[in-house]
Amino acid sequence: NAGVTQTPKFQVLKTGQSMTLQCAQDMNHEYMSWYRQDPGMGLRLIHYSVGAGITDQGEVPNGYNVSRSTTEDFPLRLLSAAPSQTSVYFCASSYSPGHSGNTIYFGEGSWLTVV
Amino acid sequence: SQQGEEDPQALSIQEGENATMNCSYKTSINNLQWYRQNSGRGLVHLILIRSNEREKHSGRLRVTLDTSKKSSSLLITASRAADTASYFCATEVLSGSARQLTFGSGTQLTVLP
Repeated sequence: NAGVTQTPKFQVLKTGQSMTLQCAQDMNHEYMSWYRQDPGMGLRLIHYSVGAGITDQGEVPNGYNVSRSTTEDFPLRLLSAAPSQTSVYFCASSYSPGHSGNTIYFGEGSWLTVV
Repeated sequence: SQQGEEDPQALSIQEGENATMNCSYKTSINNLQWYRQNSGRGLVHLILIRSNEREKHSGRLRVTLDTSKKSSSLLITASRAADTASYFCATEVLSGSARQLTFGSGTQLTVLP
């Protein structure tokens, strides 16, 4: 049971490049989400998914796309990277709110620098 | 927008002392959660307290929730150097199948040996 696995751990992009941050969980969680954490701030929700084929926007969705083709995977795509997207990105998963076990599990983070 | 706001922003104590961190929020919530984040690592879930609960314990952790004041506190007793980390509160509002989790900016706790 690996929990929530994010890749890559570190990435440097040039402005305008695109890339995908990978997230996978092996706990059969319905709910997955992506957050970004900027210096001195808490986490802000980018996108989330309540199950395969269903995604929705969070607080700061602009510049990011997501898809959920399987229960296990929830990739985050940066379409055209901008310096403002320099941040640490966290993927998280949990059972749906109606499930009795509602602990949210976080990945170790992906450090992204856009130059 | 940030719902949970921690206080203080930074706290430095000696090993063995107790550490208290506070969290205030603005709107009605379903539950409030506390997380720990070691430098360069992901968040670790510590404890969840539901809106109908007033106090919860887990090992050396004690969390209180006062919904009338929209505030929560996290007490770490007999602190250890290994407790050095950032601590975040997060409020959750359940909306259908969506988990709206809003984090504060955190308290940086330093426990001096």
